[in-house]
Amino acid sequence: DGGITQSPKYLFRKEGQNVTLSCEQNLNHDAMYWYRQDPGQGLRLIYYSQIVNDFQKGDIAEGYSVSREKKESFPLTVTSAQKNPTAFYLCASSIAGGREQFFGPGTRLTVL
Amino acid sequence: AQKVTQAQTEISVVEKEDVTLDCVYETRDTTYYLFWYKQPPSGELVFLIRRNSFDEQNEISGRYSWNFQKSTSSFNFTITASQVVDSAVYFCALRYGQNFVFGPGTRLSVLP
Repeated sequence: DGGITQSPKYLFRKEGQNVTLSCEQNLNHDAMYWYRQDPGQGLRLIYYSQIVNDFQKGDIAEGYSVSREKKESFPLTVTSAQKNPTAFYLCASSIAGGREQFFGPGTRLTVL
Repeated sequence: AQKVTQAQTEISVVEKEDVTLDCVYETRDTTYYLFWYKQPPSGELVFLIRRNSFDEQNEISGRYSWNFQKSTSSFNFTITASQVVDSAVYFCALRYGQNFVFGPGTRLSVLP
């Protein structure tokens, strides 16, 4: 089945540790995105990538890093510099040309 | 600036009532796309509809209908004869170029 997978679904980490969230898609989409969602809030864009080996900062990129070495994969690292990392993280992908984004099931990160 | 406003934070209705979710957008682009997504309690965003800026035709899909009016920069979503399964958070989104901006969402509760 085609789609977007994110792993793990729930993630717990101690304060000060870096953590990497996985996002994989087999839809052959060029663009991929990472969003953060806080309780009762909308989605805020962290990073996006329109092509392999290239990515752009979104509205809240500080404390996060990404890589795009393969078309199918867009991992997000939450670094210790992110002051309030506990949130729900959503990965999305889309084809070019104004089409909709498709979303993965999300990863809920809790920093203890 | 690109912006999406969903003024209704939460709406509660009784099953079988009709309900309209409001969306107002701001953009300077002449070419743009509008979307509605549903986020059930599981967290994954589900795509509902896409509209481009050149197509103001209203659309109906089963119990769902959408009213796009460029004159008022609105893209409202109506659920007819609501059901408990419609309970979710609904997001309106705007795409301009390769960027997306989401509204804050409207939480719809349909009571039996």
